[in-house]
Amino acid sequence: NAGVMQNPRHLVRRRGQEARLRCSPMKGHSHVYWYRQLPEEGLKFMVYLQKENIIDESGMPKERFSAEFPKEGPSILRIQQVVRGDSAAYFCASSPGSGTNAIFGQFFGPGTRLTVL
Amino acid sequence: GEDVEQSLFLSVREGDSSVINCTYTDSSSTYLYWYKQEPGAGLQLLTYIFSNMDMKQDQRLTVLLNKKDKHLSLRIADTQTGDSAIYFCAENRGSTLGRLYFGRGTQLTVWP
Repeated sequence: NAGVMQNPRHLVRRRGQEARLRCSPMKGHSHVYWYRQLPEEGLKFMVYLQKENIIDESGMPKERFSAEFPKEGPSILRIQQVVRGDSAAYFCASSPGSGTNAIFGQFFGPGTRLTVL
Repeated sequence: GEDVEQSLFLSVREGDSSVINCTYTDSSSTYLYWYKQEPGAGLQLLTYIFSNMDMKQDQRLTVLLNKKDKHLSLRIADTQTGDSAIYFCAENRGSTLGRLYFGRGTQLTVWP
């Protein structure tokens, strides 16, 4: 049973370009979470999605950032017009549901390390 | 407030016990978690404890919860060099659905 998959693992973008990060949750999981980890920092929540719904986007910057989890396919975190301050590791996590999320925790992918030149 | 607090560094000798401490903020937190992160990797869920428990033991890991002081600790018995990693404490608050709140992580270094 594959775990949470993220790609690409490393992404380099120049300022002003777009970054698109993908996350495939564990099989059977319908809840996806995105977190950002700045160097030597803990993880900061960005957004929580279910299939075709954004449940909580309170941690996501209002400009340039968007996320989706379509009915088919992976969840996508999109960053438009990237700036150097967007350089970070972006982690996706999944859980079977919000109730079981509480019991079993969230399962994390390996992360995408974004570098903005 | 937002912050889950952890000390940043801990060094121990191989074979000794390690104790990593954490203070959290929300008395309504239902579950508390310990995650391990090795260099360049994602987070691995080590263990969790429900807020109505005081202690949980899982092989070499012991979690202690003092709900009155909002203090959580992770004890690793017989620490090995392979335990060297960053350990994150995280809370699931009753007031917000789904999201986890993380500390900054404790870098554990195990010396042979």
